[in-house]
Amino acid sequence: AQSVTQPDIHITVSEGASLELRCNYSYGATPYLFWYVQSPGQGLQLLLKYFSGDTLVQGIKGFEAEFKRSQSSFNLRKPSVHWSDAAEYYCAVGKGGYQKVTFGTGTKLQVIP
Amino acid sequence: EAQVTQNPRYLITVTGKKLTVTCSQNMNHEYMSWYRQDPGLGLRQIYYSMNVEVTDKGDVPEGYKVSRKEKRNFPLILESPSPNQTSLYFCASGTGGDYGYTFGSGTRLTVV
Repeated sequence: AQSVTQPDIHITVSEGASLELRCNYSYGATPYLFWYVQSPGQGLQLLLKYFSGDTLVQGIKGFEAEFKRSQSSFNLRKPSVHWSDAAEYYCAVGKGGYQKVTFGTGTKLQVIP
Repeated sequence: EAQVTQNPRYLITVTGKKLTVTCSQNMNHEYMSWYRQDPGLGLRQIYYSMNVEVTDKGDVPEGYKVSRKEKRNFPLILESPSPNQTSLYFCASGTGGDYGYTFGSGTRLTVV
């Protein structure tokens, strides 16, 4: 069965510092991988996705993620965090097409001045 | 505006009283899905639908029903709600896994 692990429940970074959120997945074939962001009281918004090609993918709001098959990882990065990035971040894996998508338990990002 | 619309946004009900949460999308998406979000558990898939009249169970389908009679609508039905179904529910739609989902704003359900 497919699964996603986000090992960090909560992360605090200073504004302007770099950020890396970890995501490890379990999947039998080449996965479709996603990162979503959820601001307080809001629904989820897609940040970026990977399903083939270049393993470094760029997303919205200055985020990027790198797919590493050997490590079964898809970590999210941002070089300089802004206070507005404070939110909950979810990694997800799916079969592609119209199949099931499984989410991790999320990482809550706090940004301090 | 392309969107997924859920109603109601907030609902408080009593145990055993049937309820329906509606979900509608205006993007002509084939794929729709329901998730529940609980603290520490993230999002768990309840049901999903790959097209009209095609639905399948997710990870936590017990106590829920869905139907997909029209492409744009995917209601979630709780025939006999129980307190353990108190949660934040999200509907999502998409054209396929490689494009990700568009999520609704959520429905906060409390069952007392």
